[in-house]
Amino acid sequence: KAGVTQTPRYLIKTRGQQVTLSCSPISGHRSVSWYQQTPGQGLQFLFEYFSETQRNKGNFPGRFSGRQFSNSRSEMNVSTLELGDSALYLCASSLQSGTGSSPLHFGNGTRLTVT
Amino acid sequence: DAKTTQPTSMDCAEGRAANLPCNHSTISGNEYVYWYRQIHSQGPQYIIHGLKNNETNEMASLIITEDRKSSTLILPHATLRDTAVYYCIVRGSYNTDKLIFGTGTRLQVFP
Repeated sequence: KAGVTQTPRYLIKTRGQQVTLSCSPISGHRSVSWYQQTPGQGLQFLFEYFSETQRNKGNFPGRFSGRQFSNSRSEMNVSTLELGDSALYLCASSLQSGTGSSPLHFGNGTRLTVT
Repeated sequence: DAKTTQPTSMDCAEGRAANLPCNHSTISGNEYVYWYRQIHSQGPQYIIHGLKNNETNEMASLIITEDRKSSTLILPHATLRDTAVYYCIVRGSYNTDKLIFGTGTRLQVFP
């Protein structure tokens, strides 16, 4: 079974631009969550989606948004990019959402560099 | 804030068992202990999880103390490819998949 797929793998953008990242979860998984990883802050939760509804959101500005489609694929968007948005963005999916007993499986992330 | 405490770094000789400790003294009765590892520039890889009983799979064993306030991840025969940052996470059944990552333990396996 294929794992979580994130595209693109690398991205370079300029300050002020916007970017869209894509995530395809493991087949059958309906929950998708997003994380940002930076050297200074570590891994931080951005938001999660289940059945096309955002169920939880981390402490990030409104420039960070996401959505989930009916096939469970998800996208996240960052508008008006800042230098501090340079990070590894990770997507994770799970089979049984919110039960605590179903592992999250992560993709290898999108490395975003803002110049 | 992370609900776990782990040593910052550990070393292990190749072929020996690596025992990674984790303290989670405030764990609740319905919270699971999860272990992930992350190799540089890759996403976190799920290793194992448990609630009360000890668990074993093809990658590792998880030993949870009877009071559930601490646990140990055991890699029985460490290889150079096990060099990574290991995260211990406490995760509850709160209708969310939000994980709170700490700083983890950097395990260095040497020849």
